[in-house]
Amino acid sequence: GAGVSQSPSNKVTEKGKDVELRCDPISGHTALYWYRQSLGQGLEFLIYFQGNSAPDKSGLPSDRFSAERTGGSVSTLTIQRTQQEDSAVYLCASSLGGEGYTFGSGTRLTVV
Amino acid sequence: GQSLEQPSEVTAVEGAIVQINCTYQTSGFYGLSWYQQHDGGAPTFLSYNALDGLEETGRFSSFLSRSDSYGYLLLQELQMKDSASYFCAVMGVDSNYQLIWGAGTKLIIKP
Repeated sequence: GAGVSQSPSNKVTEKGKDVELRCDPISGHTALYWYRQSLGQGLEFLIYFQGNSAPDKSGLPSDRFSAERTGGSVSTLTIQRTQQEDSAVYLCASSLGGEGYTFGSGTRLTVV
Repeated sequence: GQSLEQPSEVTAVEGAIVQINCTYQTSGFYGLSWYQQHDGGAPTFLSYNALDGLEETGRFSSFLSRSDSYGYLLLQELQMKDSASYFCAVMGVDSNYQLIWGAGTKLIIKP
């Protein structure tokens, strides 16, 4: 596609429920990144994919968080048993492996 | 380790010039990037310095000095729409193609 697409744009979920966040990167971009951003804060790295493999999962906050990427394209970030501290904007970015990241508009997750 | 430092907040007047500094500690990197993020929006790429010196793109310029471990973003003829957060980032040679980010500088522009 022309840009990085994320869905849903907003998600309100009850504490303890599982959520899936989707990222559709720019066609041909081999690198895909997930970040989390709380209000007024910087970018918190979660996970990085190069193709379908994830060389760096070090940013995942707990084992409740997992992510996969299939076909070198779409990625899904799954949060199990959501907690209130998971509330944030989840941003996805893609790149050709170089310096310029293109970000999606993010998914605003609210856990109530 | 690798880290970047930038001021948390800068205030300037519409029409003026403002400089946002970024100092870094990293063993080696390919270049310094700047991103802009408006409230409620996603970060967007502004500029990239692979070499020392000044890169100019319209009202925005970015500077890098590897010997001083320092860079800056210069915004001229400030407009209210420039109110945003600005992030510096580097891709370290050992970072596995990941950008290392500063915490961001909130630019407040007053009329």
